[in-house]
Amino acid sequence: QQQVKQSPQSLIVQKGGISIINCAYENTAFDYFPWYQQFPGKGPALLIAIRPDVSEKKEGRFTISFNKSAKQFSLHIMDSQPGDSATYFCAASINSNFGNEKLTFGTGTRLTIIP
Amino acid sequence: DGGITQSPKYLFRKEGQNVTLSCEQNLNHDAMYWYRQDPGQGLRLIYYSQIVNDFQKGDIAEGYSVSREKKESFPLTVTSAQKNPTAFYLCASSAAVGGTSGADTQYFGPGTRLTVL
Repeated sequence: QQQVKQSPQSLIVQKGGISIINCAYENTAFDYFPWYQQFPGKGPALLIAIRPDVSEKKEGRFTISFNKSAKQFSLHIMDSQPGDSATYFCAASINSNFGNEKLTFGTGTRLTIIP
Repeated sequence: DGGITQSPKYLFRKEGQNVTLSCEQNLNHDAMYWYRQDPGQGLRLIYYSQIVNDFQKGDIAEGYSVSREKKESFPLTVTSAQKNPTAFYLCASSAAVGGTSGADTQYFGPGTRLTVL
């Protein structure tokens, strides 16, 4: 069964620090790796995504690092702010003739940024 | 405004009753999805549809049914056969055109919280 394993389950980081969330996958056919951010009572929103042809992607304070040989990818949040407190999900999917489908999600990381 | 709407936001159901959750999108997306979210767990795929009048089972389809009669609508029925229906249900959509950059991004609605009494 396709799986994406996410850690840690919860994370507390001081304001201004770096938040790091890790994910590992098994299926080498995965070729799209998005991260979603979810606030309580809301639907997830796409934060940043990467494909296996690059090892890193940066958007503002958010960076995805991708290690194809280790089948791992991680989200780094630089200069973490209280507004970043949310649950973060990694995911993976396989491209098909009809586009990527059937995202497989990690179990989520509850991030809390403290003053 | 373009987006995905789900209704109602909160839904209460008595055991043994079927209930239908609404999902509408005006993004002109071809593909639509239903996920279930439980505390401490990731999102699990219930059903998805790539095109009107066609849909596929996801990982946890038992006890659920869907229809896709219109491109913009993908209602989910939680039947009495679903043993543990209390959860947060999320609908999503994507452009899903093969090979198109960015077409794989799934956009989520605000969710419906279903509670079985």
